[in-house]
Amino acid sequence: GAGVSQTPSNKVTEKGKYVELRCDPISGHTALYWYRQSLGQGPEFLIYFQGTGAADDSGLPNDRFFAVRPEGSVSTLKIQRTERGDSAVYLCASSPGTEAKNIQYFGAGTRLSVL
Amino acid sequence: DQQVKQNSPSLSVQEGRISILNCDYTNSMFDYFLWYKKYPAEGPTFLISISSIKDKNEDGRFTVFLNKSAKHLSLHIVPSQPGDSAVYFCAARPGTASKLTFGTGTRLQVTL
Repeated sequence: GAGVSQTPSNKVTEKGKYVELRCDPISGHTALYWYRQSLGQGPEFLIYFQGTGAADDSGLPNDRFFAVRPEGSVSTLKIQRTERGDSAVYLCASSPGTEAKNIQYFGAGTRLSVL
Repeated sequence: DQQVKQNSPSLSVQEGRISILNCDYTNSMFDYFLWYKKYPAEGPTFLISISSIKDKNEDGRFTVFLNKSAKHLSLHIVPSQPGDSAVYFCAARPGTASKLTFGTGTRLQVTL
């Protein structure tokens, strides 16, 4: 079946604007993760959902960042009052469950550029 | 505080030879380890994993070794092929959490 889909693939915005990034997980996957990858770094965890609820949001850097998954499938990462330091590739992953054996499958990411 | 470290940012290997990528970790709560491969403009792709109850896992040309006492793991690719040229990320998770902690990656170039 289809893999994890992320839209848009690229987003350019101005400092102070609001952006939404969308993730469509693999069908049937109950767990959904958001990571952020800055240049020269590995992906860094932001938040993960089990079903509709945020099970762990310890990676969100501050209250400008928020994510939802209202129906347990598609998720949206929302960033308010964007700053230049928010520029990064935002990666979404999904897995069938949360046990260690359940591999996280990643989308191609959304490259966010804040000017 | 980098809990997963990949100290070699890049590695160049000739086609047909062995590639060895290394990873060190500091968090003793980590008990499951994974390697992902990433091509430009694509998301990371799962390659191979190992549980802390094992010291070796093999899948075709790829073998991961885990040394728990040294908090060290390595990925061996043999024989290396040009299509293996990519950035390789080591990742780890504890048994009590789902989130992955990644290293900074090693760029592997396999030359002809």
